[in-house]
Amino acid sequence: EDKVVQSPLSLVVHEGDTVTLNCSYEVTNFRSLLWYKQEKKAPTFLFMLTSSGIEKKSGRLSSILDKKELFSILNITATQTGDSAVYLCAVNAGTYKYIFGTGTRLKVLA
Amino acid sequence: KAGVTQTPRYLIKTRGQQVTLSCSPISGHRSVSWYQQTPGQGLQFLFEYFSETQRNKGNFPGRFSGRQFSNSRSEMNVSTLELGDSALYLCASSLEGLGEQFFGPGTRLTVL
Repeated sequence: EDKVVQSPLSLVVHEGDTVTLNCSYEVTNFRSLLWYKQEKKAPTFLFMLTSSGIEKKSGRLSSILDKKELFSILNITATQTGDSAVYLCAVNAGTYKYIFGTGTRLKVLA
Repeated sequence: KAGVTQTPRYLIKTRGQQVTLSCSPISGHRSVSWYQQTPGQGLQFLFEYFSETQRNKGNFPGRFSGRQFSNSRSEMNVSTLELGDSALYLCASSLEGLGEQFFGPGTRLTVL
């Protein structure tokens, strides 16, 4: 059965810290991996990764995919309180279906 | 461009009733997916529609059904509601169902 596992489940850091969120997957027909940030209601898109080893970057956030080891990481440097959210990892399993992990809840303390 | 809209935003129903939720995708997007989000299970895929056809379905009982109209708007129906159906129901739209998805604000359903 296809699955996506995120770790850690939750994380508490102080402003300025760097965090690394992990996402591992097992799917039979991998197309892409996506990261989302969910603060209150709707998840908002962060990155889509399709190729191994190519880092995607947006400001203080970056992400990379390893298709051999079947995982991705999301890095956030110089964290701010506004980064507090649930970070979701999803894998497009190729059949118009996205499998989501349960998320990592990040809390950044001032 | 207007984002994905969902109505209603909140619903309170009692066991045994049925409910219909609506989702309007971003203009030009033809794929609409539905998800159920609960604290314990995270986002669980319900089904995906493209050009009025259901292309994939998750592992939910037949009480959960959906449809898509020619203007790409989609509805989701849950019949014979159970307490465990209480959740945030999210819909997401994309161009073709293979890339980035844009989520609506969700409908919070509470079943008493």
